[in-house]
Amino acid sequence: KQEVTQIPAALSVPEGENLVLNCSFTDSAIYNLQWFRQDPGKGLTSLLLIQSSQREQTSGRLNASLDKSSGRSTLYIAASQPGDSATYLCAVTAKLIWGLGTSLAVNP
Amino acid sequence: GAGVSQSPSNKVTEKGKDVELRCDPISGHTALYWYRQSLGQGLEFLIYFQGNSAPDKSGLPSDRFSAERTGGSVSTLTIQRTQQEDSAVYLCASSSRLAGRSTDTQYFGPGTRLTVL
Repeated sequence: KQEVTQIPAALSVPEGENLVLNCSFTDSAIYNLQWFRQDPGKGLTSLLLIQSSQREQTSGRLNASLDKSSGRSTLYIAASQPGDSATYLCAVTAKLIWGLGTSLAVNP
Repeated sequence: GAGVSQSPSNKVTEKGKDVELRCDPISGHTALYWYRQSLGQGLEFLIYFQGNSAPDKSGLPSDRFSAERTGGSVSTLTIQRTQQEDSAVYLCASSSRLAGRSTDTQYFGPGTRLTVL
């Protein structure tokens, strides 16, 4: 059974800091991995999708990497801003098996 | 274009009543997914539709839960005889996934917050 773990569960950083969020999964036979953000009281917003054949994807200040063999993905956020404060979730495969998320607070 | 929409946005019901939650996916998206997010817990897959058929219903928690999709578009999630543990945010997502291929990005609706008293 696929299990997804995210570390840390919560993170508080000063504005401007670069940071890394971690996601690990137990079954390397995945279709893809997605990173989402969830803002309080709002829905989910997809940030990056990495297909199983890819190693990384970039969008603006975000960079996500995927290492299937080790069952790991990282989301790198450069020059964090207060607007980045949200819960970040990773999910694997088509029907999406979810981690519990990392709650990020960027302090101005 | 329009994104995924869900209705109602909030639903409060009494224990034992039936509820219907609606999802309108992005036009042209063949794949549709239902998830729920309970307080303090992660997101949980419920059911996946490809067109009007549901090849994966493995996440439905009990036979009180059912879902259908008509015309390859709108989907309804029905919960019969609701229980307090059914209280959660129910999320719908759609993608342009083609059967047998890896999925495209899933786009989520805003969710329906269900409260069972």
